[in-house]
Amino acid sequence: SQQGEEDPQALSIQEGENATMNCSYKTSINNLQWYRQNSGRGLVHLILIRSNEREKHSGRLRVTLDTSKKSSSLLITASRAADTASYFCATDLSGSRLTFGEGTQLTVNP
Amino acid sequence: DGGITQSPKYLFRKEGQNVTLSCEQNLNHDAMYWYRQDPGQGLRLIYYSQIVNDFQKGDIAEGYSVSREKKESFPLTVTSAQKNPTAFYLCASSSWQGRSGANVLTFGAGSRLTVL
Repeated sequence: SQQGEEDPQALSIQEGENATMNCSYKTSINNLQWYRQNSGRGLVHLILIRSNEREKHSGRLRVTLDTSKKSSSLLITASRAADTASYFCATDLSGSRLTFGEGTQLTVNP
Repeated sequence: DGGITQSPKYLFRKEGQNVTLSCEQNLNHDAMYWYRQDPGQGLRLIYYSQIVNDFQKGDIAEGYSVSREKKESFPLTVTSAQKNPTAFYLCASSSWQGRSGANVLTFGAGSRLTVL
């Protein structure tokens, strides 16, 4: 079964708005990562947050992690049409393999 | 440029045939992975290898086989025993950092297999 579950499954916003995606997981983790996938392409790593961190920033990306609730959120600020993609969270339990959620499909309308 | 090359990009197969998907990396990464992605779904792990000549089953290994004879290469064979092989296959690699490290994956562009 999938370790991570993203919410919502799909999100449609206007350019300039912020986009928030959530990820919940079931067991204790070493770290949690977010990846992006453009249609029909491979995934690209965006950001990693370790289990002892609560918040991390990278450019327009902000990730939070709440280990007590076993959840994470990815915020994309000032979204652009080029941000249209699927976003996946992935949990790393032991440093040997990642388990991916089913993803959030983000559409940013110009 | 360093990266992961998957081939072919598109592959058609008749039922009952085995097919092999190629994955080559020049990143000097220790670990390599094969994932399967079905439409609108996440990635499921098929097999992974942390060192040469060793590999482990993932969550959906039945009907698949792999080899890791060279550090750079991790081919995946989809056998006729795989009941529903039509899917998008993604290969990835990472620099193995052990249990205390973080495992960040670099992905190839994928191979789309269609069974006719």
